[in-house]
Amino acid sequence: DTGVSQDPRHKITKRGQNVTFRCDPISEHNRLYWYRQTLGQGPEFLTYFQNEAQLEKSRLLSDRFSAERPKGSFSTLEIQRTEQGDSAMYLCASSLAGVRNEQFFGPGTRLTVL
Amino acid sequence: AQSVTQPDIHITVSEGASLELRCNYSYGATPYLFWYVQSPGQGLQLLLKYFSGDTLVQGIKGFEAEFKRSQSSFNLRKPSVHWSDAAEYFCAVAAREYGNKLVFGAGTILRVKS
Repeated sequence: DTGVSQDPRHKITKRGQNVTFRCDPISEHNRLYWYRQTLGQGPEFLTYFQNEAQLEKSRLLSDRFSAERPKGSFSTLEIQRTEQGDSAMYLCASSLAGVRNEQFFGPGTRLTVL
Repeated sequence: AQSVTQPDIHITVSEGASLELRCNYSYGATPYLFWYVQSPGQGLQLLLKYFSGDTLVQGIKGFEAEFKRSQSSFNLRKPSVHWSDAAEYFCAVAAREYGNKLVFGAGTILRVKS
């Protein structure tokens, strides 16, 4: 399977704990995006990378959130001191940078904070 | 600010009937336009996209969409709905000037009755 993969698919944690999610993009894609989707809403942009450089972060990404893409391949999204409001589906997408951008999405990681 | 409006939260159609899902956008740049479909617990699958040229675009699964610049709309259509089309549909816009990050509408849930 050469699509975008995310791990874990589901995560249940207690409030105050730290969690980390991983995204493996399509291998030749140099752009990687993170989105968050809450129940009944469309996905909202969080941040994106081109290769290893983080080019933009949304205001939604508080200082408890950090994302990395250390070698320009896989990416991690860490949430520190989780809150119940962090419960959501976290989606990763990858694409080739260029004039026209088609993003391919992974299956998502569903986070539940108790 | 960039925004996408999908005015219908739920739509129910009979199997075999035609379908139109509405999407309006407000965007400061020339947008790229997309429709994605999401089945429960799944990631997003691209149905079709518009970058430029012919304003009527064909997608997968028999879907099409028409870009109307004067109305800032990009409505999705299908002439005959199948029970397997039941899912949530998201309209999204992006622009090269904004890093090609996607801005999504809130989604329309399609129910198909037999």
